[in-house]
Amino acid sequence: DAKTTQPNSMESNEEEPVHLPCNHSTISGTDYIHWYRQLPSQGPEYVIHGLTSNVNNRMASLAIAEDRKSSTLILHRATLRDAAVYYCILRPLWAGGTSYGKLTFGQGTILTVHP
Amino acid sequence: DTAVSQTPKYLVTQMGNDKSIKCEQNLGHDTMYWYKQDSKKFLKIMFSYNNKELIINETVPNRFSPKSPDKAHLNLHINSLELGDSAVYFCASSQGDGTGGEADTQYFGPGTRLTVL
Repeated sequence: DAKTTQPNSMESNEEEPVHLPCNHSTISGTDYIHWYRQLPSQGPEYVIHGLTSNVNNRMASLAIAEDRKSSTLILHRATLRDAAVYYCILRPLWAGGTSYGKLTFGQGTILTVHP
Repeated sequence: DTAVSQTPKYLVTQMGNDKSIKCEQNLGHDTMYWYKQDSKKFLKIMFSYNNKELIINETVPNRFSPKSPDKAHLNLHINSLELGDSAVYFCASSQGDGTGGEADTQYFGPGTRLTVL
């Protein structure tokens, strides 16, 4: 599996934008970039995913570099509820066989949001 | 409405006992998973089932036996519990067409914290 590298931790103030980086220099042309987050004492939850183009949804935006070797998850206005561990995960376009559905979590980025 | 539910939420037991954790999803998904999150917070997949068929078994000791009576349920039975089994276990589900896109989004349950004494 292609690997991702994220900063161990980041801090933000409430209502400010947050840019969470992820490096994936060995990404293959058919890997999707997925982001999940895990709030304290909860299971992970899906945030957003993309392949080549930037993506927006109600939770966040995903900016993907032109060479796809890095991406940035953008929370436009951080709230206290956004304090979580954020995971950047690569998923192949076709993950059949023993890789079917497999999500490989790294250490993620611990985001702290200050009031 | 709870999408993916697990019971129990907490489980405290003695070494050597056998215990089960239940998981149910009401999303109509075809694929279900078990993940383990250890004390260092690393999340690792253990098993996945697609339409009741075992797909992934990530070198988990055979003391762990998943059972899928139907597509909506994936239970985890653990025999002869050891101290190292203490962890939080998460169940998840996805529509699971294997394409890595929207349909492979996984929905996680709230977790079961297992403590082995």
